[in-house]
Amino acid sequence: AQSVSQHNHHVILSEAASLELGCNYSYGGTVNLFWYVQYPGQHLQLLLKYFSGDPLVKGIKGFEAEFIKSKFSFNLRKPSVQWSDTAEYFCAVIPADRGSTLGRLYFGRGTQLTVWP
Amino acid sequence: DTGVSQDPRHKITKRGQNVTFRCDPISEHNRLYWYRQTLGQGPEFLTYFQNEAQLEKSRLLSDRFSAERPKGSFSTLEIQRTEQGDSAMYLCASQEGVAGALQETQYFGPGTRLLVL
Repeated sequence: AQSVSQHNHHVILSEAASLELGCNYSYGGTVNLFWYVQYPGQHLQLLLKYFSGDPLVKGIKGFEAEFIKSKFSFNLRKPSVQWSDTAEYFCAVIPADRGSTLGRLYFGRGTQLTVWP
Repeated sequence: DTGVSQDPRHKITKRGQNVTFRCDPISEHNRLYWYRQTLGQGPEFLTYFQNEAQLEKSRLLSDRFSAERPKGSFSTLEIQRTEQGDSAMYLCASQEGVAGALQETQYFGPGTRLLVL
């Protein structure tokens, strides 16, 4: 079964610090990769996604992620965090081999980011 | 608000009772997903509809769970004879369905938080 690992369960940073959240997945075939964010009191929303092409993808609010196939990783980064980035971040994977049609997302357990002003 | 809506937002019930949740997807989105999220975990897939057809069910969806999408618009998720282990957040997501299910963004609703006493 596919699994997604997020190594850090809770990250605490000061404003302007740089952020990197780790994500690794276990599936050996082709995958589509996503980062979702859940701000306090709000629903899950998409930050960015990767299907193919340039392994460095840019999302909303200054976030970016890099797909490293050899490491089965899709880490999320932001050079300078803000207090408003306080949220829970979820990495998710969809196996995308030929013939697969189901858009079933496999989520990691999430990383809670707290940014102090 | 034209996003995904879910009703009720909170439900407290006694063990053994039946509960039903409703999801209204974004208008004209023809794919609909249900996920369940327990405390400290990421969402886990339950089931998926393409229009009114239920195309995939997770093994998490025991015989006590049933989901419908009778007219290809809103969906209901019913849990019969609730157990304490059913306590979780139940999330609904919709997807436009023009392009592939593996790539289109899933838009999540706010969820229904269920507590079984």
